[in-house]
Amino acid sequence: AQKITQTQPGMFVQEKEAVTLDCTYDTSDPSYGLFWYKQPSSGEMIFLIYQGSYDQQNATEGRYSLNFQKARKSANLVISASQLGDSAMYFCAMREGAGNMLTFGGGTRLMVKP
Amino acid sequence: GAGVSQTPSNKVTEKGKYVELRCDPISGHTALYWYRQSLGQGPEFLIYFQGTGAADDSGLPNDRFFAVRPEGSVSTLKIQRTERGDSAVYLCASSLEGGPWETQYFGPGTRLLVL
Repeated sequence: AQKITQTQPGMFVQEKEAVTLDCTYDTSDPSYGLFWYKQPSSGEMIFLIYQGSYDQQNATEGRYSLNFQKARKSANLVISASQLGDSAMYFCAMREGAGNMLTFGGGTRLMVKP
Repeated sequence: GAGVSQTPSNKVTEKGKYVELRCDPISGHTALYWYRQSLGQGPEFLIYFQGTGAADDSGLPNDRFFAVRPEGSVSTLKIQRTERGDSAVYLCASSLEGGPWETQYFGPGTRLLVL
């Protein structure tokens, strides 16, 4: 089974509107961390936001927030007030227990329309 | 401060040749990771270093792949007898101590094309 599933290969959003990128995960470890990265066409993976499995509140970083629903095993990324520069690939990733590797989903390509 | 750097940014080689890819982590980061990203996919883990030692090499696809980090800083990923299927972007990341809650910071990657 896929550990990280991103079901939206591509998304369009109008500039200045909010958009939600979906991510579901699968783990039996009670201790895990969820990460979102942005990858523009230049190729570099840019860290956006982190949510730990024991965190009581949803993570927020500027225009980024994480809608963490533990029972549903989902960790959706919400981008508010989209900007043209937000056009990129977005990857959800998980780190389980004391492990050191990140497991990535297949990504969602976000395109912001002017 | 400087981020993770990788050289070369692009590498074109012929099938059967040997290549080396270099990663210079963020200064002071003891943990270093290599990932491989094939076209249209998310990155896949290759190997993790804590200091000079390879703490987890479970992601290396076969014995043609090898990585070193002799002084606990710069790392080199070595691929012998390259195959066309090795064509991908090779990403390096580093984190402060390798703790499970730490963010991994990525470099720009090396795009390897095997002809």
